[in-house]
Amino acid sequence: DSGVTQTPKHLITATGQRVTLRCSPRSGDLSVYWYQQSLDQGLQFLIQYYNGEERAKGNILERFSAQQFPDLHSELNLSSLELGDSALYFCASSVDPSGGHQYFGAGTRLSVL
Amino acid sequence: AQRVTQPEKLLSVFKGAPVELKCNYSYSGSPELFWYVQYSRQRLQLLLRHISRESIKGFTADLNKGETSFHLKKPFAQEEDSAMYYCALNTDKLIFGTGTRLQVFP
Repeated sequence: DSGVTQTPKHLITATGQRVTLRCSPRSGDLSVYWYQQSLDQGLQFLIQYYNGEERAKGNILERFSAQQFPDLHSELNLSSLELGDSALYFCASSVDPSGGHQYFGAGTRLSVL
Repeated sequence: AQRVTQPEKLLSVFKGAPVELKCNYSYSGSPELFWYVQYSRQRLQLLLRHISRESIKGFTADLNKGETSFHLKKPFAQEEDSAMYYCALNTDKLIFGTGTRLQVFP
């Protein structure tokens, strides 16, 4: 167990809907990262937060947004969902904001029908 | 462009055979490279990083800047090595390769 907790494990929703994925980092980790893993694209970096502030951005769609709260947990909001948003969404955390050693959660599997 | 390439989607070997999982990168700066592994029903986890020059579970990886490669090697594969292996390049974010599935047959 990496200590990173993601909820829910599975999410099934319809096109056009909005969902929120939640991540609690390891105790003491200030950085949270979000990744999307789909069959055809592999593991893609979406966004990073460090101590409540956005630090780095990847290929995150405008329909997606994230935030990190004072207690350091993070939420990824996905809106106007499309079929192509179906994927595994991973959260990771690290102590070092520029570190490559990240601890991953078990992921949330999103199915958009 | 910053990119990580893992040319093999699947690598199958028999127990005791040598293993080499290939990773090539494209990056203009000084690279920081990692290998991550995901065993069945487990989370993605760090296997090793190039700056540590360590051997983990018998695996080693050497950074070759001339060939822009960071191949993962093990002299004698074990069945428990069967997993997905991802090479990753750290820039201001981690860039992952598409992964190689290693199958070790008894």
